[in-house]
Amino acid sequence: DAGVIQSPRHEVTEMGQEVTLRCKPISGHDYLFWYRQTMMRGLELLIYFNNNVPIDDSGMPEDRFSAKMPNASFSTLKIQPSEPRDSAVYFCASSLRVSGANVLTFGAGSRLTVL
Amino acid sequence: KQEVTQIPAALSVPEGENLVLNCSFTDSAIYNLQWFRQDPGKGLTSLLLIQSSQREQTSGRLNASLDKSSGRSTLYIAASQPGDSATYLCAVANSGYALNFGKGTSLLVTP
Repeated sequence: DAGVIQSPRHEVTEMGQEVTLRCKPISGHDYLFWYRQTMMRGLELLIYFNNNVPIDDSGMPEDRFSAKMPNASFSTLKIQPSEPRDSAVYFCASSLRVSGANVLTFGAGSRLTVL
Repeated sequence: KQEVTQIPAALSVPEGENLVLNCSFTDSAIYNLQWFRQDPGKGLTSLLLIQSSQREQTSGRLNASLDKSSGRSTLYIAASQPGDSATYLCAVANSGYALNFGKGTSLLVTP
């Protein structure tokens, strides 16, 4: 398996533009997580899905952020409009619940810079 | 809300030394605790997972312990090598679903 695949790896955009980050989870995994990492705040959970259904989106910072999972093999995180404070590395992770625990496999991340 | 703290934020040791990384958490009603490794520009790799009913887990030169009552976990690395240089993150699951991460300890092992 190729692991969790994220695209793009790097994105530089200007304030006000729409940004779409993409994630392909590991086949067979039923949980998908979106995290954001910054130096100041570390890794923060934005939202997670179970069987394509959003379970907890309380970490989504504002209405400018939205996430979808139209099928088991694809998810998007969209920021519209983007702002400089959104600059961060966004990670997608997927997991399969084993013995009551989620062992997450992370993608390589999408580094977003908003100018 | 669960708060996870890692001390120290950065650590530099000579090759061959044994070392301990610390993690503390505020809510002891955890489901499990995991240690991850992150290399620069890369994603996170899971190292060890300790269930709430366990006291420790071992993998090769790594040993992680858990003391729920005191809200602490340690990651012990034996005979450190330059290849161990990375950021190590501690993460706690309260519900068994989502993880709350510490900010990590950046480790540098010098030859």
